Amino acid sequence: AQSVTQLDSHVSVSEGTPVLLRCNYSSSYSPSLFWYVQHPNKGLQLLLKYTSAATLVKGINGFEAEFKKSETSFHLTKPSAHMSDAAEYFCVVSDYSGNTPLVFGKGTRLSVIA
Amino acid sequence: NAGVTQTPKFRILKIGQSMTLQCTQDMNHNYMYWYRQDPGMGLKLIYYSVGAGITDKGEVPNGYNVSRSTTEDFPLRLELAAPSQTSVYFCASSYVGQGGTDTQYFGPGTRLTVL
Repeated sequence: AQSVTQLDSHVSVSEGTPVLLRCNYSSSYSPSLFWYVQHPNKGLQLLLKYTSAATLVKGINGFEAEFKKSETSFHLTKPSAHMSDAAEYFCVVSDYSGNTPLVFGKGTRLSVIA
Repeated sequence: NAGVTQTPKFRILKIGQSMTLQCTQDMNHNYMYWYRQDPGMGLKLIYYSVGAGITDKGEVPNGYNVSRSTTEDFPLRLELAAPSQTSVYFCASSYVGQGGTDTQYFGPGTRLTVL
């Protein structure tokens, strides 16, 4: 069965500095990996996804993530944080091997300080 | 396209009452899902459906029922509401073809409180 661990529950950065949100996964098969963002009182929006093509995946709003099979990681990065990036971020894994199509991490809350 | 729509946006129930959360998608997706989100816990899958007439349990199905009579609609039924079902409920849909997983599109959520 697959699982996902988001290593930080809360990350705080200053505006204009880099963002790193960490995610490790476990999967018996070749996984699909996603990052979703949730702004306060809103639904979830897809940032980017990895589905066994290029290991460096570019998403919306300047975010990108790198799939590293040897480290079982899929960390999310952005070179320069903006105030509007403050939100909850979820790392998600899927391999459709079991009866749970997607498994969500517990989320990382990103705060951006002016 | 409206995408995934959910009604109602908010609801307060008394213990023991029942209700149906509605979910509709207009993207002709074959897969649909119901999740609940509790603070600090991420999303937990309640039920999902791979097509009309087919449903399956997710991680936390107890206390809920679903049906999928059409491609578009996937209602979630709560019978005998309990305080533990206080949560935010999200419906999602995706197209899953031979390539496997595709992007899930989420509705705006239903905030349910059981008192």
